[in-house]
Amino acid sequence: GENVEQHPSTLSVQEGDSAVIKCTYSDSASNYFPWYKQELGKGPQLIIDIRSNVGEKKDQRIAVTLNKTAKHFSLHITETQPEDSAVYFCAASYFGNEKLTFGTGTRLTIIP
Amino acid sequence: DTGVSQNPRHKITKRGQNVTFRCDPISEHNRLYWYRQTLGQGPEFLTYFQNEAQLEKSRLLSDRFSAERPKGSFSTLEIQRTEQGDSAMYLCASSGASGGNEQFFGPGTRLTVL
Repeated sequence: GENVEQHPSTLSVQEGDSAVIKCTYSDSASNYFPWYKQELGKGPQLIIDIRSNVGEKKDQRIAVTLNKTAKHFSLHITETQPEDSAVYFCAASYFGNEKLTFGTGTRLTIIP
Repeated sequence: DTGVSQNPRHKITKRGQNVTFRCDPISEHNRLYWYRQTLGQGPEFLTYFQNEAQLEKSRLLSDRFSAERPKGSFSTLEIQRTEQGDSAMYLCASSGASGGNEQFFGPGTRLTVL
């Protein structure tokens, strides 16, 4: 089955700086890669996703890049703000196999 | 609010008791998923419905666990003879056929087994 690894497990960034979280996956059939943000006591919130037919996707301060050859994808947050502090999870799946396989999470702390 | 809702939000039970959780998906979403999340880990897939049909079950779902979605709308997850190892956050998500595999999660039910 699919295995997703995520690094780093914790990340502290000065407010205004950029943050990068990286994930690798094992199943070359995977073609859908979402990122979720989870705040304390809440369910995961979908913040951005990418499909395998594109290499990069951007939404305001958030971007995701995908390298299918190397089987890794990354989340980039620019101009970080205190409200970006949360746990971020990457995940992978492929159409026809609907279950998401999640990474172990990155606790992002924005230092004011 | 038209998001995914889950009830109860918290459940404390004694070992050996049965518990049941409910999930109401986003209206007209035909797919519904259950995941389990333990402290410091990412969610782990348990089971998945398309309309009322349960299409896949994880090996994590022992015979003490059962899930239903009788009318293709809300779903229930029952755990029989709870064990301390069942303590976790149980998350429900839904997705619609037109939205690809975008899954939207509810707030979860936190289960504590004493």
